[in-house]
Amino acid sequence: KNEVEQSPQNLTAQEGEFITINCSYSVGISALHWLQQHPGGGIVSLFMLSSGKKKHGRLIATINIQEKHSSLHITASHPRDSAVYICAASSHENEKLTFGTGTRLTIIP
Amino acid sequence: NAGVTQTPKFQVLKTGQSMTLQCAQDMNHEYMSWYRQDPGMGLRLIHYSVGAGITDQGEVPNGYNVSRSTTEDFPLRLLSAAPSQTSVYFCASSYRGPSGANVLTFGAGSRLTVL
Repeated sequence: KNEVEQSPQNLTAQEGEFITINCSYSVGISALHWLQQHPGGGIVSLFMLSSGKKKHGRLIATINIQEKHSSLHITASHPRDSAVYICAASSHENEKLTFGTGTRLTIIP
Repeated sequence: NAGVTQTPKFQVLKTGQSMTLQCAQDMNHEYMSWYRQDPGMGLRLIHYSVGAGITDQGEVPNGYNVSRSTTEDFPLRLLSAAPSQTSVYFCASSYRGPSGANVLTFGAGSRLTVL
């Protein structure tokens, strides 16, 4: 069993819809990262959070440390948001990351 | 700042050949790492380094070597390529931010095919 689980694996939505991607982890963490990977593209760090909530434009990330759960929300989704979204947990003890398998998001115009 | 630069972007090898994937960063980050990304699996750590002269194995180190002679460079060597090493490889660098957690920057990736 992967220590970091994401859901759903695939998500298709209409332009304008509110999107939620979930991430659960079983390890003790110092931070939770949300990453974005466009098809054939590199990986971009969207958020790093260790508590509470962060917002950047239409993207919002939240984390509940007690429940070991994080969510990534996209408001007013747009076709350019189509990408794979990956969560990754930073270990308390060292710099190592444990990655989820990603959520493939497709936004239809 | 160029960030993290990986070369080459694409490479085709024959089984048994050796090659080096280059990774360089200009942000003075102490921590650098190599991952491989395979379909249906999360990124998996191959090797990592917490500073010049220090390297350690990750989750899937077999068949790969690394060295870290400078802060900037962290090359990944495939000693004798095998078809199982066909993958997309990502180099990343990071530093510990004010919260104590690592702030990440990834390279653009290198797609390797071993025939």
